[in-house]
Amino acid sequence: AQSVTQPDIHITVSEGASLELRCNYSYGATPYLFWYVQSPGQGLQLLLKYFSGDTLVQGIKGFEAEFKRSQSSFNLRKPSVHWSDAAEYFCAVGANRQGAQKLVFGQGTRLTINP
Amino acid sequence: GAGVSQSPSNKVTEKGKDVELRCDPISGHTALYWYRQSLGQGLEFLIYFQGNSAPDKSGLPSDRFSAERTGGSVSTLTIQRTQQEDSAVYLCASSLSGITGEKLFFGSGTQLSVL
Repeated sequence: AQSVTQPDIHITVSEGASLELRCNYSYGATPYLFWYVQSPGQGLQLLLKYFSGDTLVQGIKGFEAEFKRSQSSFNLRKPSVHWSDAAEYFCAVGANRQGAQKLVFGQGTRLTINP
Repeated sequence: GAGVSQSPSNKVTEKGKDVELRCDPISGHTALYWYRQSLGQGLEFLIYFQGNSAPDKSGLPSDRFSAERTGGSVSTLTIQRTQQEDSAVYLCASSLSGITGEKLFFGSGTQLSVL
């Protein structure tokens, strides 16, 4: 069964600084990987996803993530954060086989932005 | 509707009472998921419906939890004899066809508090 670990529960960065949120997964084959964001009082929104091909994927709001098979990682990055990026970020993994449609989510990383 | 709708947004109940949580997915979406988000925890998969197929109930934590989906649309999650550890945000999501790796659209959740 697949699993996801987000090692950082809470991260604080200054506005304008760069950001990297870590995600490690466990799955025997090439997984489907996702990053979702949950802003206060809102539902989760998909930022980006990786299925195959180019290991660097671009998402919405200026985010990108890189799939590194050798490290079983899918870290989320942004060159310069904005105050509106303060939210909870969830990494998720899906199994690429029929009958395994459910996503397994990590525990989330709460991002705080200092002005 | 325009998005996934969940009701109520907040529910306070007494220990031992039964509760029903409702999810109205995006029109035309055949797949529907229930997740639970406990304080400080990630999203925990509960149950998945896909068309007329038998639901994947592998995430339901106990037999006090059940869910149904009528007419392939609205879903109700029922928790019987609620316990304090059931307090959490219950999130519903839908997707177009339930293909592995498909984007999930989440509702804003129901905050359940068991006193």
